Amino acid sequence: GQQVMQIPQYQHVQEGEDFTTYCNSSTTLSNIQWYKQRPGGHPVFLIQLVKSGEVKKQKRLTFQFGEAKKNSSLHITATQTTDVGTYFCAGRWGGATNKLIFGTGTLLAVQP
Amino acid sequence: DAGVIQSPRHEVTEMGQEVTLRCKPISGHNSLFWYRQTMMRGLELLIYFNNNVPIDDSGMPEDRFSAKMPNASFSTLKIQPSEPRDSAVYFCASSTFSVKETQYFGPGTRLLVL
Repeated sequence: GQQVMQIPQYQHVQEGEDFTTYCNSSTTLSNIQWYKQRPGGHPVFLIQLVKSGEVKKQKRLTFQFGEAKKNSSLHITATQTTDVGTYFCAGRWGGATNKLIFGTGTLLAVQP
Repeated sequence: DAGVIQSPRHEVTEMGQEVTLRCKPISGHNSLFWYRQTMMRGLELLIYFNNNVPIDDSGMPEDRFSAKMPNASFSTLKIQPSEPRDSAVYFCASSTFSVKETQYFGPGTRLLVL
């Protein structure tokens, strides 16, 4: 079935260090989205990647979509305590469906 | 502009009782999704509707779960009878119907079945 694997499950960093989470699908995605969920909160949309090799930046966050459209990454430069939360990738495959399949998420802890 | 509204926000019930979770999507959105989140299984899609019609219910765990969307502004997820393993956070999300649209999540209902 359609699955999105995400690693690592958990990452603990010192404030100021960088952080990266990776997403993988065994089959080609049509697009991928990233969401952030703060502790006790709900997932909130961050960005969508559609094109092969696409790179998008939001301040300290850099998102990449692989050339084969099977993997993606989120990189945070110089983490801050406000970055704490779980980061999810969510993939869509071809066809008319607007269903998203969420990855397992990466919980980021930032120590001040 | 109001976001997705869910009620109740918290529910504690005893095993065997019926539980009904409610969702009001964002006005103008014609797709609605029900998710369940647990530590063990992560964020799972249970069912989704386009234009009030159930499209994919393959994620519904078993016959004890049912979902309805009688109109564009209201949906329910019902568990009858409830079991302790149903304890989780249930999220409702809505979007416009497009293969590129983002989903907007409600605050969730935290369900505890004793």
